[in-house]
Amino acid sequence: GESVGLHLPTLSVQEGDNSIINCAYSNSASDYFIWYKQESGKGPQFIIDIRSNMDKRQGQRVTVLLNKTVKHLSLQIAATQPGDSAVYFCAENLSGGYNKLIFGAGTRLAVHP
Amino acid sequence: SAVISQKPSRDICQRGTSLTIQCQVDSQVTMMFWYRQQPGQSLTLIATANQGSEATYESGFVIDKFPISRPNLTFSTLTVSNMSPEDSSIYLCSVSGQSNYNEQFFGPGTRLTVL
Repeated sequence: GESVGLHLPTLSVQEGDNSIINCAYSNSASDYFIWYKQESGKGPQFIIDIRSNMDKRQGQRVTVLLNKTVKHLSLQIAATQPGDSAVYFCAENLSGGYNKLIFGAGTRLAVHP
Repeated sequence: SAVISQKPSRDICQRGTSLTIQCQVDSQVTMMFWYRQQPGQSLTLIATANQGSEATYESGFVIDKFPISRPNLTFSTLTVSNMSPEDSSIYLCSVSGQSNYNEQFFGPGTRLTVL
């Protein structure tokens, strides 16, 4: 596989446990905050997004929490599975058009049986 | 959704040479994006490419180093010019989703090693 995730912080969890991946952001003007998953050798894949006027959004087995007071974003994965092993990136969609994404630092999630 | 392919998937190049990376999308899209992902790091946006206009480059990236073409709504190229070992990275192209602009679809990436 590729070298993505080699030098990133790693979160190790047992299969079946819940995972919480955290991200700090800096731009208060962002319209949306997004989570992406990147498996080895592949491009990132969209997981879920949350608008800046919300503080929680749920998807299938995932929940994103947004705390604008401390500029903190988290992704919770319920009942983590081996297929969840990947690098997870938070991203911001800046306001003002273009819809360009600014990616934050990633976290490698390692799921152990 | 969109399916994106990139060529080449990987290459090893000598310093001072140039490499052109191709990105093909299976549907017509307005905006395409080029990113760089250095080993073990996050993605950095290089430029946004719209069909029929000059690409818009992010701070730290210039057209002379990373010329981009966007000849039609399904294709784009990124050239990495006058390469040095510091250009060794994974280069990815992406397109915005039609219903959700936050959902970008990425190609598999081109892994470039410069010796």
